[in-house]
Amino acid sequence: QQPVQSPQAVILREGEDAVINCSSSKALYSVHWYRQKHGEAPVFLMILLKGGEQKGHDKISASFNEKKQQSSLYLTASQLSYSGTYFCGTEEFISNQFYFGTGTSLTVIP
Amino acid sequence: DAEITQSPRHKITETGRQVTLACHQTWNHNNMFWYRQDLGHGLRLIHYSYGVQDTNKGEVSDGYSVSRSNTEDLPLTLESAASSQTSVYFCASSVSRNTEAFFGQGTRLTVV
Repeated sequence: QQPVQSPQAVILREGEDAVINCSSSKALYSVHWYRQKHGEAPVFLMILLKGGEQKGHDKISASFNEKKQQSSLYLTASQLSYSGTYFCGTEEFISNQFYFGTGTSLTVIP
Repeated sequence: DAEITQSPRHKITETGRQVTLACHQTWNHNNMFWYRQDLGHGLRLIHYSYGVQDTNKGEVSDGYSVSRSNTEDLPLTLESAASSQTSVYFCASSVSRNTEAFFGQGTRLTVV
């Protein structure tokens, strides 16, 4: 079942923070995060496999809640290069089916 | 450098015609995927393969087929193109389950 992402779109000024949420009605085995810039292919950001896990590099990090049905992506001190559409992808624990969310459009302005 | 390439990058075809989109990867990845991307729907899985001779249906497989005769290629065939299949198609590959997927640059298909 396709996960729900929120918000659908967000506009930030450089230096501001943002949180993107990804929620499923099913228990999840893993959550993947990708970013896609306009006209380009999606690019991998990170995978979370364990409930309670947090990962990050540079100023982008993510968490996977203990009940393993929700993940959040945190963008700190946003830069112009962070603009794009962010997708979460979820693998369901029982069915092993993988679905991408509908995406969150993030625009960073000077 | 290893890569994943799609061809053609753009194609216009007529309703009812058979169309094949090519996907070729040089990483020797076992897993290969085809997605379509439409506004408001994100990326939806069409077909996927976990190895040679293995193919599986995704959530939007009707009207599409794939075959995996070697590790490097997973061509996607539209048996009889329909206007509803106008979309951007992405191929992806990964080493195994729950590892990073690498995406091709996409094929923009227009069915008129």
